[in-house]
Amino acid sequence: QSVLTQPPSVSAAPGQKVTISCSGSSSNIGNNYVSWYQQLPGTAPKLLIYDNNKRPSGIPDRFSGSKSGTSATLGITGLQTGDEADYYCGTWDSSLSALHWVFGGGTKLTVL
Amino acid sequence: QVQLQESGPGLVKPSQTLSLTCTVSGGSISSGSYYWSWIRQPAGKGLEWIGRIYTSGSTNYNPSLKSRVTISVDTSKNQFSLKLSSVTAADTAVYYCASLQMGGAFDYWGQGTLVTVSS
Repeated sequence: QSVLTQPPSVSAAPGQKVTISCSGSSSNIGNNYVSWYQQLPGTAPKLLIYDNNKRPSGIPDRFSGSKSGTSATLGITGLQTGDEADYYCGTWDSSLSALHWVFGGGTKLTVL
Repeated sequence: QVQLQESGPGLVKPSQTLSLTCTVSGGSISSGSYYWSWIRQPAGKGLEWIGRIYTSGSTNYNPSLKSRVTISVDTSKNQFSLKLSSVTAADTAVYYCASLQMGGAFDYWGQGTLVTVSS
């Protein structure tokens, strides 16, 4: 069971918008930056969003991130079939008396 | 651009120690700009952080693995390494090495290497 909770799956049609939620607590999301990763089938994860809402060079502005309290959200607009992938959120967690990184369980995006 | 490449045995026997090395190219592991980290992913499952190391040798580990994990760095070879002891079938996974920004985000990843624990 992951410390960060994501929906197992989301789906939407090409061209539409989808959001993926990531719910945590004050020991993780509430006091730390959140990052998001895209994992296409058979490949390594790729950084999409860092520091809650910043995009690395080369990531299109169709991808956006936000954070409010102990939850974060990844938004994807103008969906393309190439966006079909697993998406993970991640952040630091200060529980268990030791700073450690935690990932969400992942969300599978299907573009119908 | 930083590139990372994992290497090591693809098959490890139960109760033995898994050993992997990550070679960093395109930048110095001693630059101080990053932490260096290991992450794993069992087939069909999510990502699990194993731990991180700084160029100074300072480490943080996943509490659930801490008793079995050692991460070390060799600045002369621009490499960092993972040792996971007393492995079981549950440790079978694709193991990734990655660079971890100071602010907390994994921006460069290796391609991953599959390690199977089996007799």
